[in-house]
Amino acid sequence: DTGVSQNPRHKITKRGQNVTFRCDPISEHNRLYWYRQTLGQGPEFLTYFQNEAQLEKSRLLSDRFSAERPKGSFSTLEIQRTEQGDSAMYLCASSLGSGILNEQFFGPGTRLTVL
Amino acid sequence: EDKVVQSPLSLVVHEGDTVTLNCSYEVTNFRSLLWYKQEKKAPTFLFMLTSSGIEKKSGRLSSILDKKELFSILNITATQTGDSAIYLCAGVTSGTYKYIFGTGTRLKVLA
Repeated sequence: DTGVSQNPRHKITKRGQNVTFRCDPISEHNRLYWYRQTLGQGPEFLTYFQNEAQLEKSRLLSDRFSAERPKGSFSTLEIQRTEQGDSAMYLCASSLGSGILNEQFFGPGTRLTVL
Repeated sequence: EDKVVQSPLSLVVHEGDTVTLNCSYEVTNFRSLLWYKQEKKAPTFLFMLTSSGIEKKSGRLSSILDKKELFSILNITATQTGDSAIYLCAGVTSGTYKYIFGTGTRLKVLA
């Protein structure tokens, strides 16, 4: 257990539904990242927050995806009008973000299945 | 575009064998390279490499970075069945410190 928690751990939904995932980072970590991992691939960067500011978004993050970190603590990732191609593991990671040792600690992930 | 390429994609060995996993990278504003182990859950940290030529070791695992040739290797000696996992390599960019992952090497160690 790295100290990063994600909920739910599994989500099954029907195509066209909206889903929201939550990530609680390690409390003193100011940087928070979302990644998506599909079968047989490494995690792909989606977006990054420093405190409450969303500073970078991947072009993978279509307009159906939105992420927030309202108070600089937990974060949510929402997918609207889900598609079968959204089926993946969604990983959250946090880091202290100071100096060169910027190791990211990963949560257990939320596995999304879109039927 | 930033990319990280790992080889081989998969590997099957017997317990006691030594394996070498390869990672090459092209990452803008490169900061460091990391190795993670992933079983059926989130990746767990193995090594962070920032300087060329300095080997990092942890038990039977070791890793080294070559910043001139833009690659890294991860060695595992005397492999055990518990080493069976996907090994991920990631390049880290300066600024956002986002990770650019490779596709991973799937290692299976047979008893």
